[in-house]
Amino acid sequence: EPEVTQTPSHQVTQMGQEVILRCVPISNHLYFYWYRQILGQKVEFLVSFYNNEISEKSEIFDDQFSVERPDGSNFTLKIRSTKLEDSAMYFCASGREAQDTQYFGPGTRLTVL
Amino acid sequence: AQSVTQLGSHVSVSEGALVLLRCNYSSSVPPYLFWYVQYPNQGLQLLLKYTSAATLVKGINGFEAEFKKSETSFHLTKPSAHMSDAAEYFCAVTENTGGFKTIFGAGTRLFVKA
Repeated sequence: EPEVTQTPSHQVTQMGQEVILRCVPISNHLYFYWYRQILGQKVEFLVSFYNNEISEKSEIFDDQFSVERPDGSNFTLKIRSTKLEDSAMYFCASGREAQDTQYFGPGTRLTVL
Repeated sequence: AQSVTQLGSHVSVSEGALVLLRCNYSSSVPPYLFWYVQYPNQGLQLLLKYTSAATLVKGINGFEAEFKKSETSFHLTKPSAHMSDAAEYFCAVTENTGGFKTIFGAGTRLFVKA
């Protein structure tokens, strides 16, 4: 059964550094998402992406964040200058249609020191 | 603006007892509603979804949920809890208002006692 994959599983970085979190969505899916979950808290929507552009973004997704689908298979989340409060689990998800089931990856745990 | 409220951050039931996890939503347009489960150190897995077909939705692992528009609710139930049901459960709503975003509730952690 196809699944969403994410790399790395754990990323440790210094405050102020750039990080790129990578996701490989399910191959025939057209809608892509990033979420984050701060330890012990709820899952928060960051951004949705369709047809090579951002469809919707939350207030969390400020100028420090960007997304890209560089090669038709990967979907990346870049944080330009990480802050301590960016420490969280980041989940990628994909879906066939806009309001259909989203399939989640296992997540990348980002730790900012 | 859409929002999701899950009543009770923690619910504890005995094995074999009824599970009831509550979810209320607000949405300006007909919503798509979902329940996801998260086991420790794992991603989210879909339990079931409501997409404007039948109001009673059956999902995996014996769970079901009923969409009640008048109450703006989508409560999750299971007749008989099993130890393996212990996990975090998230209710979510998706709207298409030009763009599309999914909002999750705060989650309910289910404990199952032997």
